[in-house]
Formats: sequence, structure tokens, C-alpha cells
Amino acid sequence: DAKTTQPTSMDCAEGRAANLPCNHSTISGNEYVYWYRQIHSQGPQYIIHGLKNNETNEMASLIITEDRKSSTLILPHATLRDTAVYYCIVRVAGDYKLSFGAGTTVTVRA
Amino acid sequence: NAGVMQNPRHLVRRRGQEARLRCSPMKGHSHVYWYRQLPEEGLKFMVYLQKENIIDESGMPKERFSAEFPKEGPSILRIQQVVRGDSAAYFCASGGEKLFFGSGTQLSVL
Repeated sequence: DAKTTQPTSMDCAEGRAANLPCNHSTISGNEYVYWYRQIHSQGPQYIIHGLKNNETNEMASLIITEDRKSSTLILPHATLRDTAVYYCIVRVAGDYKLSFGAGTTVTVRA
Repeated sequence: NAGVMQNPRHLVRRRGQEARLRCSPMKGHSHVYWYRQLPEEGLKFMVYLQKENIIDESGMPKERFSAEFPKEGPSILRIQQVVRGDSAAYFCASGGEKLFFGSGTQLSVL
């Protein structure tokens, strides 16, 4: 019942930008786009979230298309420690249930 | 994983034994969420608790599983008469707009 579609995997060269796409064509007006990542054997880590405007923080940038049907998470300078499974999740504000799909397995290579 | 404490980190039980997993939310948070991650699968919501109240247990298996969050002390996820299919990583989270996850408890049932 995942509301998002992500590529299964992708590789990225260390030091380069990693662009992770996500499709959420059925997103509702009150649903936010969230990104989490899970490094092997660890708990999920919050990265960033947004409603319709682009967002940037110390970890990443989130670009949301004008129609909000897709988004891209950008890791500006990938490092080996960014190797993880990245989850794109749509979530209604105040909803405590996060629906994790399969995510994108990102491998950063030296 | 800022501040959500889970223990033990690893727990080994034999079939039929009881497993007790503990979680302390971030300082200032009065509610916790439990998620389970079966091998090679995504995280699934189990239960949401506030102090002394279960708010939503829609993701909890109907039998053998219970959760509590007493007025004092950590939240406890209890699994009675464990079976091999209970082997999984159990994560606790707290927060609101952003959920912060603990490092998880890896339960192995022999």
C-alpha cells in the first residue's frame, strides 16, 4: 500500500551529487514528502521533509515538482558513509504512522 | 537516532520464552511508537503509546504481543511464547513532525 515509487538501487561516486527520485502521483494536498535513510543495522534517520516548496538543510536538498507528483532528494557531496537505504514517504501532517516501502539502496563508491 | 534509547541491542531467546524490549523516548517526549522490520522487509508500524495509554495498536499481532508505557520508566514491548517468525529488528521512535528512531533491538529466536 506504499504511495511512493522509487528505483530499487543506484550507485554514486564519492564526492559527486546523488540525485534520488521519487514518484508520488497520488499525493494529497495535505500530505508532506519525507525522506529517511537507514544505514545497515541502524534505526531510520530523518533527513528532510517538505510540502510544496524546495527545502535544504545540512544533510540534503529536497526538490518537489510544481504538481507535487514527484520529488528528488539531493545529497550534494556523497561520501562512503551515505551508503544506505533511502525511503521516500508521504505523510499527512500529524499522522504518526510512517509507511516504509522498499526504498532505494544507494551505494557510494570510492 | 538522537536520544531514543533502546535495550537490549541484541536479544536471543529460545522458542516459547518471553522477550521484553525496552524503549525510552527522547527527553521531553511523552509518547513512543514501535516498528518491526522483518528480514529483508521494510519497517511496519506496530503500536503508538502515550504515558499509560495505548493510542493505536492496529499494527500489533493479535496474540502474544503487548505493549505498555507506564507513568514511570521505559516503554516495554513484550512478546510471549516467541516463535522463529518473531525474529526481527524492533525499533522504537518518538517525536512529532519528525520521528527519531532508536538503534533497535535485534531479536533472534532459536
